[in-house]
This record gives sequence, structure tokens and C-alpha cells, in this order.
Amino acid sequence: AQTVTQSQPEMSVQEAETVTLSCTYDTSESDYYLFWYKQPPSRQMILVIRQEAYKQQNATENRFSVNFQKAAKSFSLKISDSQLGDAAMYFCAYNQFYFGTGTSLTVIP
Amino acid sequence: DAGVIQSPRHEVTEMGQEVTLRCKPISGHDYLFWYRQTMMRGLELLIYFNNNVPIDDSGMPEDRFSAKMPNASFSTLKIQPSEPRDSAVYFCASSLDWLIADTQYFGPGTRLTVL
Repeated sequence: AQTVTQSQPEMSVQEAETVTLSCTYDTSESDYYLFWYKQPPSRQMILVIRQEAYKQQNATENRFSVNFQKAAKSFSLKISDSQLGDAAMYFCAYNQFYFGTGTSLTVIP
Repeated sequence: DAGVIQSPRHEVTEMGQEVTLRCKPISGHDYLFWYRQTMMRGLELLIYFNNNVPIDDSGMPEDRFSAKMPNASFSTLKIQPSEPRDSAVYFCASSLDWLIADTQYFGPGTRLTVL
């Protein structure tokens, strides 16, 4: 089975600053999809951003962008201009089913 | 649409009791997933259905767990008998199409505590 690794259990960022969350994965497939989900204290899992492996261009959604390095099997999430509402657990996922253990992000006012 | 609906939101039961968790997916979605989330193991896929048919139940931890989807708008996850190690948050999710690519919409989860 594919594995997804998030090596940062906890991260913190000052409000308005930029933070990058790391994710690596293991696969032998050439085409696949990668996702970042956000889980705020309400527990609701919310899709943040999605990347298709065959696309060279990094996905962006407003203040959220990814740095997708296919050869390195790396898929990091960059949050720009961090806001208090960004505080949550963030999960990286491979092909829907395979999730990392999450990174808890704290935003400091 | 109201999104994925799960009930109950919280369940506290005693060891040995039967527990039934319920899920109503988003109308028109062909795929339904059951996940379990714990601090130790993170988010694990238990089982998923396509058009009401169970496709992969390899994540179901043991025979005490069973899941059904009698129709397109309802699914249950049953634990019988329950054990303290089953305590976790159980999520149901659904997606429209194309298994690996489509966005999953998660329900709010059921927090299960087995005493």
C-alpha cells in the first residue's frame, strides 16, 4: 500500500506570515492525485487543494499553493498571509484513500 | 444539498454493546467511504462502496465490524460487540465519480467512546 508521511506533527506561524507544511509519499504509479485537507476543531474535513500528478503546474487556491516535486515524491502546502481561521489539522492524501498522520497548525496573533 | 449527514454525533456505550453508526451521503454521489480516525493511527479507510456495492473492505479491522448500504441514500457501520479500543471518530464521506480523483465530502463524524 502507498504510504504518506507528514514529518511535522506541529507547526506554528505568526498571523500574516507564510508557512509551509511538508508531505512525502511513496508510489510506483506514474499518474495519481494528491490532496490537502483541513480539519478545524469542528472536525469537519474540508478539501483545501488538489494536484494531478501529470500536470507540471503547481495548483493554487487563493492563499494556498503547493510545491509538487514528482521525482522527489514531495507535495508541500504553502499558506500565505496566514489567518487565525487557518488554525487546524492539515492532512495530505494520496489518491483519496491514503492519508498522512496530519500536521497541527497554530496561528499566533 | 445538506452535505453528508452522520448520526449520532456522539455515542458513549459500554464494552460488549452493539453500536450502529449511520450515514446519508450527498444525493447523486456514487461512492461512499467509511473512515476511522485515532491519534495513534490517523485517518484509516475501513470500507468503500460504489453504487451501493462494497468494493474494498480490507480496512475493516475484524469481524466485529460490518457495513451495509441498502440503498443510495443510507449506509450503516456496525460494531458488535464493541471494545474500548474501538473508541475513535468515525467519518463517512462520499464522492461523485472517478474514484481516485474526485473530491471527497466528509460528514461531521461520530465520536465513539466505549467504556
